[in-house]
Amino acid sequence: GDSVTQMEGPVTLSEEACLTINCTYTATGYPSLFWYVQYPGEGLQLLLKATKADDKGSNKGFEATYRKETTSFHLEKGSVQVSDSAVYFCALSGSNTGNQFYFGTGTSLTVIP
Amino acid sequence: IAGITQAPTSQILAAGRRMTLRCTQDMRHNAMYWYRQDLGLGLRLIHYSNTAGTTGKGEVPDGYSVSRANTDDFPLTLASAVPSQTSVYFCASSEGGPLAQYFGPGTRLTVL
Repeated sequence: GDSVTQMEGPVTLSEEACLTINCTYTATGYPSLFWYVQYPGEGLQLLLKATKADDKGSNKGFEATYRKETTSFHLEKGSVQVSDSAVYFCALSGSNTGNQFYFGTGTSLTVIP
Repeated sequence: IAGITQAPTSQILAAGRRMTLRCTQDMRHNAMYWYRQDLGLGLRLIHYSNTAGTTGKGEVPDGYSVSRANTDDFPLTLASAVPSQTSVYFCASSEGGPLAQYFGPGTRLTVL
C-alpha cells in the first residue's frame, strides 16, 4: 500500500546550520506530496507542497523537490533558526489513495543557539 | 472564527464513559477528518467524511463513531472509552481530493 518513510529523529542542530530531513514514498500513480510542521502544543500546519514530478515547494526558507525517479521529497533549509524547532511530517495524497493522506511518523528538530 | 476549532482543549475521562469531541470549520470545506497522534506512530486516520451526509472508516476506526449532518461540524464520539484511547486528537478539513488539509489545535484526551 501507499506509505511515507521519513528520517527518524530527533535532530539537533546549531543555529545557522543546514538542514535536510529525508522523506521517501511508496505510491501507485502520481500522488501530491506535502510537508507539515507542528510547533509545541499546536496542530499541524502546512509548510509546503508539490503536486507533480520536478515541482519544488518552498516556504519560510524551506524547500523540497518532488523527485519521481528516486521517489523522494526531502526537506531542506540552508540556515536554520531557533524558531524552526518543531516536529516535521512528510505526507502524501492522491487519487489512488482515495484522496486520503498518509503521514510519516514525524522528525523532531531542535535548533540550539 | 477562522479555520478549525476543536473542543474541549483537554479532558480526563473515566474508562467506560461516553465522550464526544467537537470539531467545527468555517472554510466551507467539503472533506473533514479525524486523526489520533501517538508518540512514535505519527498521525493515524480514524474516520473521514468526503462531503456532508457521508462518512468512511480510516486506519483505526474501532471504538469511534462520527456523523456529518452539515458541512461545518464533524463530531467524534467514543461510546465507551478505554485507556488505549488516551491520545491527542486532531480534526482536519480540506476542499477535497489530494488537496492540502488544514488542522485544528487538537484535543488531549486521557482515559483512566
